[in-house]
Amino acid sequence: AQSVTQLDSHVSVSEGTPVLLRCNYSSSYSPSLFWYVQHPNKGLQLLLKYTSAATLVKGINGFEAEFKKSETSFHLTKPSAHMSDAAEYFCVVTTIGNQFYFGTGTSLTVIP
Amino acid sequence: DTAVSQTPKYLVTQMGNDKSIKCEQNLGHDTMYWYKQDSKKFLKIMFSYNNKELIINETVPNRFSPKSPDKAHLNLHINSLELGDSAVYFCASSQRSVAYEQYFGPGTRLTVT
Repeated sequence: AQSVTQLDSHVSVSEGTPVLLRCNYSSSYSPSLFWYVQHPNKGLQLLLKYTSAATLVKGINGFEAEFKKSETSFHLTKPSAHMSDAAEYFCVVTTIGNQFYFGTGTSLTVIP
Repeated sequence: DTAVSQTPKYLVTQMGNDKSIKCEQNLGHDTMYWYKQDSKKFLKIMFSYNNKELIINETVPNRFSPKSPDKAHLNLHINSLELGDSAVYFCASSQRSVAYEQYFGPGTRLTVT
């Protein structure tokens, strides 16, 4: 069975400080993992994906994530938060058949 | 060019009515999906079509009926709308293969009064 747990429903950071959004997954097979971002009243945009190549994945807007099989984690990080990063972030796991399993989302607030 | 488009963007209707939401993708993908996002932002898959064939049909009331006239279109028809159907509905598409990301439409906000 596949599932995703986003450990924090809300994260607040000050502008210019690092961002850490945590995601743990459970999968019976070798998973593919994604992070999506949803800005207010918008659709979902792909930030980055892990597909069994390099374990450190770089995405758009300075975000990156590291796949750690031993910890079953895929945490999203950014060295310096920007006001425009305020949004909802979703971690997704998918395996055979490409069915997406979404986490419950983490709302990121950036304080000026 | 819009990759995945949905119409309408907003839909306000009364209980008991029947409504449709349309989705089109111009990415050449062979698989399309419908998701429901509730007020707590939780996203749940409803249906998935691959080459016009239904491949995922989650536990959804049979008042919801997807229709795929061709690979580029997946419409969602809802009969006898209820208050609990109020949500944002997202269409997505992908090439059906492991590790291929899904591309999402902008969403349709359905409000049932």
